Amino acid sequence: DGGITQSPKYLFRKEGQNVTLSCEQNLNHDAMYWYRQDPGQGLRLIYYSQIVNDFQKGDIAEGYSVSREKKESFPLTVTSAQKNPTAFYLCASSMTGGVHEQYFGPGTRLTVT
Amino acid sequence: QKEVEQDPGPLSVPEGAIVSLNCTYSNSAFQYFMWYRQYSRKGPELLMYTYSSGNKEDGRFTAQVDKSSKYISLFIRDSQPSDSATYLCAMSFDRGSTLGRLYFGRGTQLTVWP
Repeated sequence: DGGITQSPKYLFRKEGQNVTLSCEQNLNHDAMYWYRQDPGQGLRLIYYSQIVNDFQKGDIAEGYSVSREKKESFPLTVTSAQKNPTAFYLCASSMTGGVHEQYFGPGTRLTVT
Repeated sequence: QKEVEQDPGPLSVPEGAIVSLNCTYSNSAFQYFMWYRQYSRKGPELLMYTYSSGNKEDGRFTAQVDKSSKYISLFIRDSQPSDSATYLCAMSFDRGSTLGRLYFGRGTQLTVWP
């Protein structure tokens, strides 16, 4: 079964701690994306990557970091510098070369107290 | 002004009703238009994908794009309680530009009651 997995589904952290969210895909997609979703709001782009070892900041990259060492994996670290980290985080992937549909994982709900 | 505007609702209709969901946008360079459905606490799933102006039908769903008015719609015929979800519109520029980046509306929350 091809798809995108995100783990864990729910994550709880204390304020001041860094936390890493996992995203893995076996769709052989080149591009991967991280979004944040807050209640009643659309998806806001955090980071995206078109190829291994390359990534670009999205609209709200401050307080976040990513790596893309493997095509299948695009982990997101929420650092202590992120002022309001509690949110629903979604990972997506797509092929490049003109195909624009993105396919999403099930999401990780992060709660920081 | 946001690039993509979508009324968040909520929208509540009886089973069997025709539902109309809409988005407007400001950038005439958008070429690709998508609708995603998102159930509560789940990831969005792609529902419809259209290129440029026109209509596209898939079962009970019809996506409509009017580029002259910068307006897109999703119609759901014979709505079912299982259609209750948040519907997000998304769009992107021509394939030659920024790498498939999508611009999303806020989503419209739909409830279909039996």
